[in-house]
Amino acid sequence: AQKVTQAQTEISVVEKEDVTLDCVYETRDTTYYLFWYKQPPSGELVFLIRRNSFDEQNEISGRYSWNFQKSTSSFNFTITASQVVDSAVYFCALSAVNTGNQFYFGTGTSLTVIP
Amino acid sequence: EAEVAQSPRYKITEKSQAVAFWCDPISGHATLYWYRQILGQGPELLVQFQDESVVDDSQLPKDRFSAERLKGVDSTLKIQPAELGDSAMYLCASSSTGLEAFFGQGTRLTVV
Repeated sequence: AQKVTQAQTEISVVEKEDVTLDCVYETRDTTYYLFWYKQPPSGELVFLIRRNSFDEQNEISGRYSWNFQKSTSSFNFTITASQVVDSAVYFCALSAVNTGNQFYFGTGTSLTVIP
Repeated sequence: EAEVAQSPRYKITEKSQAVAFWCDPISGHATLYWYRQILGQGPELLVQFQDESVVDDSQLPKDRFSAERLKGVDSTLKIQPAELGDSAMYLCASSSTGLEAFFGQGTRLTVV
């Protein structure tokens, strides 16, 4: 069975601070994909990044960076120099070929950036 | 930019009434998903289509929910009769490769 855990329910930071959102996953599959989505108040889920299980290279995109560690089954997301526009709910998700590429989501972390 | 279209954006219905949601995926996307997101939780899959065929509907409450994608393009999700516990956001997503999913803006359902 697939499972994604986001232990942080809510986080508040002051603008320009760095913040890390944690994601821990469980799967027995050897081939799987990990995702981060952003859900602003308007409701749509915005795709941020996908990593496959064979690529542990960390990735940086502007102020966003992702740290994938198979040894600890974690896929953490860091926002550097946070901005008010980063305020949203962030979801980590997992999909695997053996479960029909169905997406399994965590419960989300609500991030509030205070100006 | 191509996007997944959903309607209506908001729906208020009375308990025991029927309600339907529509989704038009990104053109060419063979896979279509319907997810339900209860407030404060992550989305959970209701049904997954590959073209017009159902791939997974194990979490769909079939006594009251139905979904169809007759021509393998757009899709309709129906609830009859609606119950108070059905109040949630209903999200449609589509994918061409299964490696990522693009979501619509969702339909926020309130059952009163």
